[in-house]
Amino acid sequence: SAVISQKPSRDICQRGTSLTIQCQVDSQVTMMFWYRQQPGQSLTLIATANQGSEATYESGFVIDKFPISRPNLTFSTLTVSNMSPEDSSIYLCSVDVSMIAGVRNEQYFGPGTRLTVT
Amino acid sequence: AQSVTQLGSHVSVSEGALVLLRCNYSSSVPPYLFWYVQYPNQGLQLLLKYTSAATLVKGINGFEAEFKKSETSFHLTKPSAHMSDAAEYFCAVRTAGGTSYGKLTFGQGTILTVHP
Repeated sequence: SAVISQKPSRDICQRGTSLTIQCQVDSQVTMMFWYRQQPGQSLTLIATANQGSEATYESGFVIDKFPISRPNLTFSTLTVSNMSPEDSSIYLCSVDVSMIAGVRNEQYFGPGTRLTVT
Repeated sequence: AQSVTQLGSHVSVSEGALVLLRCNYSSSVPPYLFWYVQYPNQGLQLLLKYTSAATLVKGINGFEAEFKKSETSFHLTKPSAHMSDAAEYFCAVRTAGGTSYGKLTFGQGTILTVHP
């Protein structure tokens, strides 16, 4: 498996500001993903964070609103820009661990960042 | 396109009773299927997975799930519920290839309540 940490664990932000969330993995992984979980809802994929290239965004999500960086195989950031109360959600980083010997087709999640926008 | 439907947003059982959480999927290719559990204020933990091997899959904490292609189902069961099983459970299907490789599509989740 992989140990995934996220910073911050939670934050309260004012509308119009931006917040950058960090995701750190204890081993090199090929694929990292960012999901959003709105209050009382399921998880929705925001984008796939690609190492060395631009992130791949899902329908309804754009780079200007959710810029993502992936400088290496163990780290990624997600920025929530120009926040509004509708951005209040839990943001989760996940990694695909199929590159780790003996493990196939498993995806693990970080503890999440609980964001409240006032 | 693929999708997941979890029947029942809330399930309540007594401690010691059978747990049955329902999941049906739609996929144009043989799917990889997963169950995750989310405890309050925590991230998701992988319970078990189906990746085209044995159709009856055993996971952690005494849970198991059976892949039934004819019914497009992947229901989660546990013979005897424990108070610590109270959580939200998510069924998910994974894209096997293409530009969306690795993407998980989640069901809406089922909140399991266990009564003493």
